[in-house]
Amino acid sequence: QQPVQSPQAVILREGEDAVINCSSSKALYSVHWYRQKHGEAPVFLMILLKGGEQKGHDKISASFNEKKQQSSLYLTASQLSYSGTYFCGTLSGGYQKVTFGTGTKLQVIP
Amino acid sequence: DAGITQSPRYKITETGRQVTLMCHQTWSHSYMFWYRQDLGHGLRLIYYSAAADITDKGEVPDGYVVSRSKTENFPLTLESATRSQTSVYFCASTAGGLGETQYFGPGTRLLVL
Repeated sequence: QQPVQSPQAVILREGEDAVINCSSSKALYSVHWYRQKHGEAPVFLMILLKGGEQKGHDKISASFNEKKQQSSLYLTASQLSYSGTYFCGTLSGGYQKVTFGTGTKLQVIP
Repeated sequence: DAGITQSPRYKITETGRQVTLMCHQTWSHSYMFWYRQDLGHGLRLIYYSAAADITDKGEVPDGYVVSRSKTENFPLTLESATRSQTSVYFCASTAGGLGETQYFGPGTRLLVL
C-alpha cells in the first residue's frame, strides 16, 4: 500500500516554510525522501532509518516517528530552487522494495 | 562515471508491437528496479531484481517481462504494447542495505499509439 502524503500541493513565497507529511499503515524500516523537477528523474534528498536521528542538510530536514509510522519533511526559508514534486518512499519489507507516495507538488514563487 | 543510463530516452510505438527499454548501471549494484510514473499515481514498481538471474514482480507487472543475465543490465520488455502503457519509465538501482538509497536513471518517455 502506498504511503499517504499531505498536502497534495502547496504554493509558497520565497522565504516561507513548509512541512510535507508522509504516513504509512505498515511498520517501517526506513523512509526515503526525493525531489523531482518537471521532466527529470527523482533526486535523493535523505533517508531516515528506524531508530535513527532526525536528518537534514542546508535548510531541508526530516523526522521519523516510528510509533506512528510517519515522517515529515521540513523546508525552511524556501528558495525558488525548492520547487518540484516531493516523494516519500517507505521500506517495510525485504529486497529493498521502496513504495512511493503520490507526491506533493511544491511551488515557490517570488 | 556514467552511473545509471536508460535507452531510448523517447519512444513512439504502435499498439501490439514489442518494445524493449534498456537500463545499464556502472556501480555493480545488486538491486535494480523498474517503475512507471503516471499522473496521480506517483511511482509504481513494475519489476525488481535482487541479483543477476533473480527477478520478481512488483505492484503492476502485467504486460511486462524482465530479464537480468548480467548485473549491470536490466531490460524491460513490453510484449504487446497497449495504450495504457503510455507512461514515463524509470530504472533505479541500489547497493542494498537499510541506509542505501535508490539512484534513478533519466527515464524513458513511451507513447503507444
